[in-house]
Amino acid sequence: DVKVTQSSRYLVKRTGEKVFLECVQDMDHENMFWYRQDPGLGLRLIYFSYDVKMKEKGDIPEGYSVSREKKERFSLILESASTNQTSMYLCASSLNLPGTSGTTDTQYFGPGTRLTVL
Amino acid sequence: SQKIEQNSEALNIQEGKTATLTCNYTNYSPAYLQWYRQDPGRGPVFLLLIRENEKEKRKERLKVTFDTTLKQSLFHITASQPADSATYLCARSNDYKLSFGAGTTVTVRA
Repeated sequence: DVKVTQSSRYLVKRTGEKVFLECVQDMDHENMFWYRQDPGLGLRLIYFSYDVKMKEKGDIPEGYSVSREKKERFSLILESASTNQTSMYLCASSLNLPGTSGTTDTQYFGPGTRLTVL
Repeated sequence: SQKIEQNSEALNIQEGKTATLTCNYTNYSPAYLQWYRQDPGRGPVFLLLIRENEKEKRKERLKVTFDTTLKQSLFHITASQPADSATYLCARSNDYKLSFGAGTTVTVRA
């Protein structure tokens, strides 16, 4: 079974702090994704990576950056946390990118990190 | 941008009945639609994929349809059980990304 783990389930930070969210997958997937999930808005893609050191902006990249130094690890960075970044953050991985093949595009999600910025 | 909408935030049904969830999309038909299940405090889990050229797909008590004329997918849970209570998300492929609907929360009463 694919396993995607996230470094923290719950995190509380102060406005202006630099925040690191870590994600690790164990299935040798090429692609990794960071989403945030807010009530009524669904999952929104922040960034994704299709290879080591490669990244692409998603739909809401402002205020975030990412790092992928190793294939299994994808980090989300909030350079200066703000209260509007309080959310559930979900990491996912997949063998192929969406739209490329179908079943191997399936995304496997981690348990999520609930981040509160005070 | 390609929008995807799930028409109902919440659905309450009696055990044994069929739950029907709707997912509507805009613009061109995606290559496929995916359905995920999400339990409280957990990440989504993939359930089913249906391609543009497939009318219907089944997996155990789950059935998904894809109507490109109506730009709509229906997700059915037949003979529903309390264990089916969860939020169900649909997603469409969109330029190497997945766009998700906001989800429909299903509660099955015993």
